[in-house]
Amino acid sequence: AQKVTQAQTEISVVEKEDVTLDCVYETRDTTYYLFWYKQPPSGELVFLIRRNSFDEQNEISGRYSWNFQKSTSSFNFTITASQVVDSAVYFCALSEVISKLIFGQGTTLQVKP
Amino acid sequence: GAGVSQSPSNKVTEKGKDVELRCDPISGHTALYWYRQSLGQGLEFLIYFQGNSAPDKSGLPSDRFSAERTGGSVSTLTIQRTQQEDSAVYLCASSDGLAGSYEQYFGPGTRLTVT
Repeated sequence: AQKVTQAQTEISVVEKEDVTLDCVYETRDTTYYLFWYKQPPSGELVFLIRRNSFDEQNEISGRYSWNFQKSTSSFNFTITASQVVDSAVYFCALSEVISKLIFGQGTTLQVKP
Repeated sequence: GAGVSQSPSNKVTEKGKDVELRCDPISGHTALYWYRQSLGQGLEFLIYFQGNSAPDKSGLPSDRFSAERTGGSVSTLTIQRTQQEDSAVYLCASSDGLAGSYEQYFGPGTRLTVT
């Protein structure tokens, strides 16, 4: 069965601190896709990144970086030099081919000025 | 270009009434999904449509829920005889290509309150 676990329910940091959001997944398929979404206070889910199971290269986009490790079934998300605008709920999600998204419970990130 | 749109943005209804929620996906997207977000349950999958294939209804919580997608575009989620536990934000998403393989773009949601 598919499952996504985001063990951190809430994280609070001070602006400019680095923060890592953890995501652990379970699947029996060899082909699958991992995603991160951001849900700011406005409520709309914003796509951040997609990774397929065959691509373990880490990715960096500005202050955001993602670390995908199949050996530990983890897909962690790091924000460097956090800003107040990063405050949001972040969801990790998993899908198999021709399937729906299975979401983790989300991590609420609060960045204080 | 236009994103996914949903209407109404808010809906308050009395227990026992039927409601219809509408979703307009991104033009050209072949896959369309409905999810529900509530405090106790997080983000739950309800149903998805992929092109002309039969929809995957495996997430619908009861037979009071149904959805259709007309002409491969607009979708309507219908909840019959609403119950208080149906109160949630209903999110629609669409994607280009095989369901699951591509990122899904979400609409702003419809907040349903059943009194």
